[in-house]
Amino acid sequence: GAVVSQHPSRVICKSGTSVKIECRSLDFQATTMFWYRQFPKQSLMLMATSNEGSKATYEQGVEKDKFLINHASLTLSTLTVTSAHPEDSSFYICSARVQESGNQPQHFGDGTRLSIL
Amino acid sequence: GENVEQHPSTLSVQEGDSAVIKCTYSDSASNYFPWYKQELGKRPQLIIDIRSNVGEKKDQRIAVTLNKTAKHFSLHITETQPEDSAVYFCAATYSGNTPLVFGKGTRLSVIA
Repeated sequence: GAVVSQHPSRVICKSGTSVKIECRSLDFQATTMFWYRQFPKQSLMLMATSNEGSKATYEQGVEKDKFLINHASLTLSTLTVTSAHPEDSSFYICSARVQESGNQPQHFGDGTRLSIL
Repeated sequence: GENVEQHPSTLSVQEGDSAVIKCTYSDSASNYFPWYKQELGKRPQLIIDIRSNVGEKKDQRIAVTLNKTAKHFSLHITETQPEDSAVYFCAATYSGNTPLVFGKGTRLSVIA
């Protein structure tokens, strides 16, 4: 089945550090990937839609200069949390669809737990 | 945009009983409704989905029903087992490169 690989799985770093998270579709191509953030005991909140070869589409309230998204190939999207602060600590998770048209399931990566000290 | 409401937020059932989780959506254009199970610290896993041209779908102990007119859909788990304990999320979207909009989740506890 479709596999989405995400790493690192866990990051602990100091305030002010920039952190890059990678999301790869291992056995399929994805022109679109999605980035979600999940705080403890809450639902998944969409941060942005990552589009291969073009700019990401950010949800309202998500700072595009803080959460940099790059989707340079059909199998890789990266999310960089720049100058991270403790309030950025969260579970970040990406997803991708196998096919761009039709109602195909989204497959999630394993997520990245980010802890900013 | 789409808004998905999910109830209840927590649900406790005795092992062997049935569990029902309900969701409503606001955008009549939505036509794909998946359900995900998420265990603590892990990624959401798709357990069943339904498309708008179908009213009901079943997979062993899990079933989903969809009422397009009322814009609501439900997850039914029969003969619950302790390993069914997790957080369940409903979601909605329409075809194309559109993201899922999730409900707030239901924490299901199955008591042995």
